[in-house]
Amino acid sequence: EEQLVESGGSLVQPGGSLRLSCAASGFTFSDHYIDWVRQAPGQGLEWIGRARGKALGYSTDYAASVKGRFTFSRDDSKNSVSLQMNSLTTEDTAIYYCVRRNRAGGGLDVWGQGTAVTVSS
Amino acid sequence: DIQMTQSPSTLSASVGDRVTITCRASQNIGSWLAWYQQKPGQVPKLLIYMASSLQSGVPSRFSGSGSGTEFTLTISSLQPDDFASYYCQQYHSQGDSFGQGTKLEIK
Repeated sequence: EEQLVESGGSLVQPGGSLRLSCAASGFTFSDHYIDWVRQAPGQGLEWIGRARGKALGYSTDYAASVKGRFTFSRDDSKNSVSLQMNSLTTEDTAIYYCVRRNRAGGGLDVWGQGTAVTVSS
Repeated sequence: DIQMTQSPSTLSASVGDRVTITCRASQNIGSWLAWYQQKPGQVPKLLIYMASSLQSGVPSRFSGSGSGTEFTLTISSLQPDDFASYYCQQYHSQGDSFGQGTKLEIK
C-alpha cells in the first residue's frame, strides 16, 4: 500500500520551532515530488511547498507565507522528508499534510493522515 | 501569485441533481488544474487532474472541463456520498494554490 505518515505535531509557543517528519512506503519515493499542504481549523487548504528528489538536486519551492521560516529536507535513501518550522505564529496553527504528487500529469494523489500543530501561549 | 476563485462557496442540492462548481484562475494556467473532495474529518481525495483526467477509482459521474482561466467540476447525478467540500488547485507555476472551497450541502 502506498502510504505517507507524518509525525512531530504538537503544541508550541509563538516564536518557537518545530520539526515535522514524513515517512513514505509502498512506492518508489525518489520518483515523486512531495508537497506539504496545511489546513487551519475550519478553513480551506493551503499549499506551503514542495521538495523534489535527489535527481533534481533536492530543490524546493515555498509559498510566500512560509518562505524564510520553513525549510524542507529530503533524503531519498531514507524515503523521508522533514519540515523545519521556525518563528511560528498563531497563524501557523493547522493540520499539516505531506502529499505525493502524481507523476502522470500532476495532482496530489497520496495524502498522509496529517499531524496537528498548535501555536499558542 | 496565481489566485484561484471558486463559486459558489456553498451549494445546496438534492440526490440525483446535476451540479457544477466553477474555478477561475487570475492568469492562464493551461490545463494545470486539479479537483479534490474532502469530507469532514477526512483527508482530501484527488478527483480530477490536468483539468479533465479522472483519477483512478473515481466514479464516472465526476467530470472536469476547461482550460486557461475558467474550469468546471460537474457531478452528473448527485449521490449521498458526494455531499462534501470541493477544492480546485492550480499547479501551473512553482507556487501552487487552492481555491477557497465549495461546500456541497443536502437541500
